Amino acid sequence: DTEVTQTPKHLVMGMTNKKSLKCEQHMGHRAMYWYKQKAKKPPELMFVYSYEKLSINESVPSRFSPECPNSSLLNLHLHALQPEDSALYLCASSQGGTGAGQPQHFGDGTRLSIL
Amino acid sequence: QKEVEQNSGPLSVPEGAIASLNCTYSDRGSQSFFWYRQYSGKSPELIMFIYSNGDKEDGRFTAQLNKASQYVSLLIRDSQPSDSATYLCAVNVLMDSSYKLIFGSGTRLLVRP
Repeated sequence: DTEVTQTPKHLVMGMTNKKSLKCEQHMGHRAMYWYKQKAKKPPELMFVYSYEKLSINESVPSRFSPECPNSSLLNLHLHALQPEDSALYLCASSQGGTGAGQPQHFGDGTRLSIL
Repeated sequence: QKEVEQNSGPLSVPEGAIASLNCTYSDRGSQSFFWYRQYSGKSPELIMFIYSNGDKEDGRFTAQLNKASQYVSLLIRDSQPSDSATYLCAVNVLMDSSYKLIFGSGTRLLVRP
């Protein structure tokens, strides 16, 4: 078990559905991240929030919409996804902002399947 | 393009041996370096980080950093079958005024009983 909690653990959705992934941490970390990981590939950065402000968007399609309601919570809203979006979605957090030197700690991930 | 390179393996070692995993990176300005272990179907788990040249030891793990050669390594002593996993090297790089973690493609380690 990790100190970054992601829900749900598994999600199956159709291409027309709207769903949300949730991430929570209570370590007082001020930077939070969304990554996408396909099988046998390293994690790919999607979004970064630093002090609750979006600081990096890696040109992610608009069908993925992040939200940071407070310093402990991070959401990823999903709408009209494509089959190629099926992957493991990982949330991570680190101390301070996105300054160098802070290790990122990952949650267990949400395994997403798009039908 | 800022890159992190790892041999994909698999690296196969017998139980009890030392496993040596290597990583090179392209950005000379990088200041912090991380090793993650990832079991199949699970999320990455941080096992070591290093900021300064030299060695850093934690239990059976030693991280080594050589900034002049842009080289990071991870040694696992007394390897156990439970160490069999993919090891991801990650480097913090400054891009567009923000730091990002760039991952290597990972090295698969197999420890034979």
